[in-house]
Amino acid sequence: SQQGEEDPQALSIQEGENATMNCSYKTSINNLQWYRQNSGRGLVHLILIRSNEREKHSGRLRVTLDTSKKSSSLLITASRAADTASYFCATDAGGNEKLTFGTGTRLTIIP
Amino acid sequence: EPEVTQTPSHQVTQMGQEVILRCVPISNHLYFYWYRQILGQKVEFLVSFYNNEISEKSEIFDDQFSVERPDGSNFTLKIRSTKLEDSAMYFCASRVGTSGSYEQYFGPGTRLTVT
Repeated sequence: SQQGEEDPQALSIQEGENATMNCSYKTSINNLQWYRQNSGRGLVHLILIRSNEREKHSGRLRVTLDTSKKSSSLLITASRAADTASYFCATDAGGNEKLTFGTGTRLTIIP
Repeated sequence: EPEVTQTPSHQVTQMGQEVILRCVPISNHLYFYWYRQILGQKVEFLVSFYNNEISEKSEIFDDQFSVERPDGSNFTLKIRSTKLEDSAMYFCASRVGTSGSYEQYFGPGTRLTVT
C-alpha cells in the first residue's frame, strides 16, 4: 500500500450515527492531518495530530494515532447530512512539511 | 477568519498555451505550497516555497513549471506550455511557519482544463 491510504473507500451511514474512517501510512511522520473535501471543492482542514500525541478532539471529531501500527482513525460523532464529503489524511515527515495525501474515504450521510 | 484565495476558479486553455494560476495566501503565513489533484486521484505535492525561493519540488514540477511571489501578497504558479495531462485541480496552501504550527490551509482551487 502507498503512504496514506484510507479505508473504507466509501462509507454510507444514517444521519445521527457515528462514522469511523481509518488511515494507514508507511514511513515515519511528524504530523498527521485530516481534511474534508466536498465534491469538486477545496480542502478544509479539520484537525492535526502530532506524532507524540495519541488522541485529539475537536467538536464532534476525534482523531487517534497509533505510530506503532502507522495508522490513524477519524471518528465523526452524531453525523449530519452536511458531513457528506470525502475525507483525506495527509502526513508530513519533517523538513518543509510537504504533505502526502491518502486516497480518501467518500462518506455519505443518509438523512 | 483569514482564508487562502485562488483565481481563477476555472481556467480553460489550449494545449501549448501558458497559464498563470494565482493565489493569495493568509497574510502572516511564511510557507507556501502548490498541490494538484487529477480527477479521481490523490492530491499530489508540486512545490514548496519559503523565503522567496523553492525549498522542495516533486518530480512532477519540471521545467515547464515555475512559481513566483511577485509582491507581498500573491503567489503564482506558471505552466509555460500546457499539456493535456496538466488538466487537474490546482490547490495553493500556506502555513504560518512558527514553531509548533504545521497546519496547512488550502485555497478553494483552480480547475485547469487543457483542450
